[in-house]
Order: sequence, then structure tokens, then C-alpha cells
Amino acid sequence: RKEVEQDPGPFNVPEGATVAFNCTYSNSASQSFFWYRQDCRKEPKLLMSVYSSGNEDGRFTAQLNRASQYISLLIRDSKLSDSATYLCVVTPRDTGTASKLTFGTGTRLQVTL
Amino acid sequence: EAQVTQNPRYLITVTGKKLTVTCSQNMNHEYMSWYRQDPGLGLRQIYYSMNVEVTDKGDVPEGYKVSRKEKRNFPLILESPSPNQTSLYFCASRMLAKNIQYFGAGTRLSVL
Repeated sequence: RKEVEQDPGPFNVPEGATVAFNCTYSNSASQSFFWYRQDCRKEPKLLMSVYSSGNEDGRFTAQLNRASQYISLLIRDSKLSDSATYLCVVTPRDTGTASKLTFGTGTRLQVTL
Repeated sequence: EAQVTQNPRYLITVTGKKLTVTCSQNMNHEYMSWYRQDPGLGLRQIYYSMNVEVTDKGDVPEGYKVSRKEKRNFPLILESPSPNQTSLYFCASRMLAKNIQYFGAGTRLSVL
């Protein structure tokens, strides 16, 4: 089983739609969680951290479910500019150590007119 | 501007011809690492460094070398490149105390 698993997609959605991605992780000791965004042929960039209580940043909402070991990303009112690959990132320990970031293979989102 | 700079951005070479991809960061980050990204496999860590003169293997270190003589620089060396090292390579850096990582723009390498 992969350490971090994501549905590769692509998710094709019309502009204005709400779309959600899930990411499952296998290490129950995982502590820190992130979503990164990667545009085609570009470098990954941090989209948002994922906190235990869930957190929101504009149209983006991230949730963590420790019991089922998954995190989710919800995008409301999708824009064409949201088209990208979304990478789930998990680390085994919290800040203060050189913990390894484990990346999922990404979920591709294509927003269309 | 805070950034991670890697060069070259594109490189076509032939099997066996030694090459170096440079990486430099201006954020005074302790931790630096190299990844390769291949379709369906995602980002895989090649080597990482927690500080000057401290380097360690990641998940796919075979065929690669690194060095960390200065805090800002972390070059990736392919002594004898082979076609299976054709890939998109990213250098990244972060503070040891934080897990937010910054990536370079990537180097697309083709080994013929």
C-alpha cells in the first residue's frame, strides 16, 4: 500500500462547480498535512496546511479525518484558473525535526467553460 | 525575493556524460533536498541535507551524488547518466523547524 494515495483523476468540472478530492495516508503517526498545487510543468507550491479542526481559505476548505486517515480538499465556485494538479503531502511528525515530506501522486483538476 | 534557483532548466545529454544541476536558495534554510518527478510515480526524494556537510539518501539515490559545502548551495551530480534518469528534477528547501517547502522551477533532463 502506498504511503499516500490520491485518485489521479482527471476531474473535469464546469466553471462554478464544487469539487472535492480525498487523500488517504497509511502511517497513523502522521502529524502534519498539506495541500500543494502544481501547474503543468511547473514547481509545486503550497496551497494550504490542513489543521485538525479543518480550515478554510477563501473558496478552499481542507479537512482532516484522523480516524479514517484521510484528508480532503473542497473547492467551491471553481474557476478556470483552478485547473492544476493537487498534491497531498503528509509528514510523520510535527515541526522541530527534519521529518520527511511524503507526496501523493496528485489529482488533476480541469475546469471548463 | 525569496527563491530557490536551479540551473539549467532544460538539459539534453548522452549516456555516460557527467553533469551537474545546480541549486541555490537565498532563505538561509537548513534543509535542502532533490526530487525527481515521473508520470504516475509522483515526487520521489533522491537526497536531502539537513545542514552543511550533512547529506543523506532519500528513496531513490542510486546513480546520483550531492554535496553541501555551503548552506545556500546543493548541487545534484550525475556521474554517468543513463536513459532511466530522464525525468523532471526539483530542488527544494525549508527551515528545519517548519514543514513548508519551497521548490525551484525544475530541470527537465533527457538522457539519450
